[in-house]
Amino acid sequence: KQEVTQIPAALSVPEGENLVLNCSFTDSAIYNLQWFRQDPGKGLTSLLLIQSSQREQTSGRLNASLDKSSGRSTLYIAASQPGDSATYLCAVRRTGTALIFGKGTTLSVSS
Amino acid sequence: DADVTQTPRNRITKTGKRIMLECSQTKGHDRMYWYRQDPGLGLRLIYYSFDVKDINKGEISDGYSVSRQAQAKFSLSLESAIPNQTALYFCATSDSGGSYNEQFFGPGTRLTVL
Repeated sequence: KQEVTQIPAALSVPEGENLVLNCSFTDSAIYNLQWFRQDPGKGLTSLLLIQSSQREQTSGRLNASLDKSSGRSTLYIAASQPGDSATYLCAVRRTGTALIFGKGTTLSVSS
Repeated sequence: DADVTQTPRNRITKTGKRIMLECSQTKGHDRMYWYRQDPGLGLRLIYYSFDVKDINKGEISDGYSVSRQAQAKFSLSLESAIPNQTALYFCATSDSGGSYNEQFFGPGTRLTVL
């Protein structure tokens, strides 16, 4: 059974810092991996999707990497801003199934 | 206008009542999903549908049923609500022929069962 773990569960940083969020999964036979952002009481916003054949994806200040063989992905946020404060969720998918989510990392960026 | 909409956005009901949560999408996607989110447990899959005639149970389907009335509509029903079904419910969609089946989520329905 696929399990997804995100470490740390919570993270507080001052504005301007670069930071890394970690995601690990137990079954490397994934189709893709998706990173989401969730603001309190709100829905999920897709940030980046990495196919199993890809190593990384970039969008603005965000960079996500994937090492399928070791079952790991990282989300790198450059020059963090208070507006980045949210919960970040990692989810993996096998072919023909739905997403399996981690429990998320709650990020707080102070000004 | 939002691509994935959920109604109602908030609902308070009593134990034993039947309740339906509705999801509609204008993205033209063929695949639709229902998840629930609980503090400390993350998001878990309840049911998913890959087309109108294809319905599949997810990780936690007990106590729930679904109906795919059309490609754009996917409803979740609680036949007899119980307090531990209090949660935030999300509908999601994806396109099997699209960009690697990226999932897009609705705004959620906050359900409280008293």
